[in-house]
Amino acid sequence: QVQLVQSGSELKKPGASVKVSCKASGYTFTSYAMNWVRQAPGQGLEWMGWINTNTGNPTYAQGFTGRFVFSLDTSVSTAYLQISSLKAEDTAVYYCARDEGGDSSGWYDYWGQGTLVTVSS
Amino acid sequence: SYELTQPPSVSVSPGQTARITCSGDALPKQYAYWYQQKPGQAPVLVIYKDSERPSGIPERFSGSSSGTTVTLTISGVQAEDEADYYCQSADSSGTFWVFGGGTKLTVL
Repeated sequence: QVQLVQSGSELKKPGASVKVSCKASGYTFTSYAMNWVRQAPGQGLEWMGWINTNTGNPTYAQGFTGRFVFSLDTSVSTAYLQISSLKAEDTAVYYCARDEGGDSSGWYDYWGQGTLVTVSS
Repeated sequence: SYELTQPPSVSVSPGQTARITCSGDALPKQYAYWYQQKPGQAPVLVIYKDSERPSGIPERFSGSSSGTTVTLTISGVQAEDEADYYCQSADSSGTFWVFGGGTKLTVL
């Protein structure tokens, strides 16, 4: 069965970096795009962007350029989200979500369980 | 940047029909998707391509589209339907996606 398993919660200080992983299983990793979605405490969902798992080409939403990097390790069917120069406002749950196709379609059929990143001094 | 507008909250009694709207300028040309999120859980897709229902989603969930507004309808609402609901769609270029602000459905 399809599963997306994300890495565990992180507590970081402002200015530090964090790398969240999303390990896929139960399907051909490179056949489906991967999206990243942020949810700040008590807030709604924000689409951060997506990565083409076949080409590795990322697309970032407005507001998620510069400090945010999507990457892949196809040998272990894993997508990564790295955030640098962390700020308090980056405190959120970060989800990976599989797109039903190889391109970005908005149709997210499987989601990871979410990774809470807390930024606090 | 592109925005989708949802009402913050909708309340219905069990057995009634709940309608949650989502408005956006590009909706006439872009599909909408609806996600249900319960506290502490990841979102779940309940409607795709405006009105299609994924397997495993109860028939009481339906979607429709008219102009710049799409609507999620839950007929015969049950207590278990209490959740936050988010619409999602793309901007006119189809390149960037956005979620609506979310609607909290309360079952009275």
